[in-house]
Amino acid sequence: QVQLQESGPGLVKPSQTLSLTCTVSGGSISSGSYYWSWIRQPAGKGLEWIGRIYSSGSTNYNPSLKSRVTISVDTSKNQFSLKLSSVTAADTAVYYCARDQGLDVWGQGTAVTVSS
Amino acid sequence: QPVLTQSPSASASLGASVKLTCTLSSGHSSYAIAWHQQQPEKGPRYLMKLNNDGSHIKGDGIPDRFLGSSSGAERYLTISSLQSEDEADYYCQTWGSDSMVFGGGTRLTVL
Repeated sequence: QVQLQESGPGLVKPSQTLSLTCTVSGGSISSGSYYWSWIRQPAGKGLEWIGRIYSSGSTNYNPSLKSRVTISVDTSKNQFSLKLSSVTAADTAVYYCARDQGLDVWGQGTAVTVSS
Repeated sequence: QPVLTQSPSASASLGASVKLTCTLSSGHSSYAIAWHQQQPEKGPRYLMKLNNDGSHIKGDGIPDRFLGSSSGAERYLTISSLQSEDEADYYCQTWGSDSMVFGGGTRLTVL
């Protein structure tokens, strides 16, 4: 069965770019017609959708983050990635990747702290 | 873009049943949603996709105690025979052609 695993630095300095990768195992990221999403959750708060990439490569972003977000896919590595630029403390959160519109498969999440 | 409304909290006794509600905003009553469970200190887990006709597709290993249903703009998650491990946050989530949105979540306390 498909599994997702997030990876990336746990600490990012303010104004820098946060970069995370989600590795897909148990299936090909380019097989089927799936969306691949990033979601985040600040401590003690709810879930916030960041954006998604379709198997064709098209992307959609949360309007509140759109100017700072880029999601891309690397089919050769079976991965998709998140870049969030100009981060501040407000971007401190646990970041999750998930599959498809119903988010039927989730990664375990990776905690990112923005601090100098 | 739809908005999803959930009550912040709910409670029920061990062994009892509870019905959680997720309400779609006006004009979006035909949307499917998904329900997700987040136990304390854990990541979210997909429970089911729930269509506007009440049909649903559960995730692997989700017990029969978890049941989805729909009525108009309301989407429900009923959990029967409540167990201590059902104490968690429950989020509904939906999607459109270019976006996705979560409800604020309902914290379920099992008494």
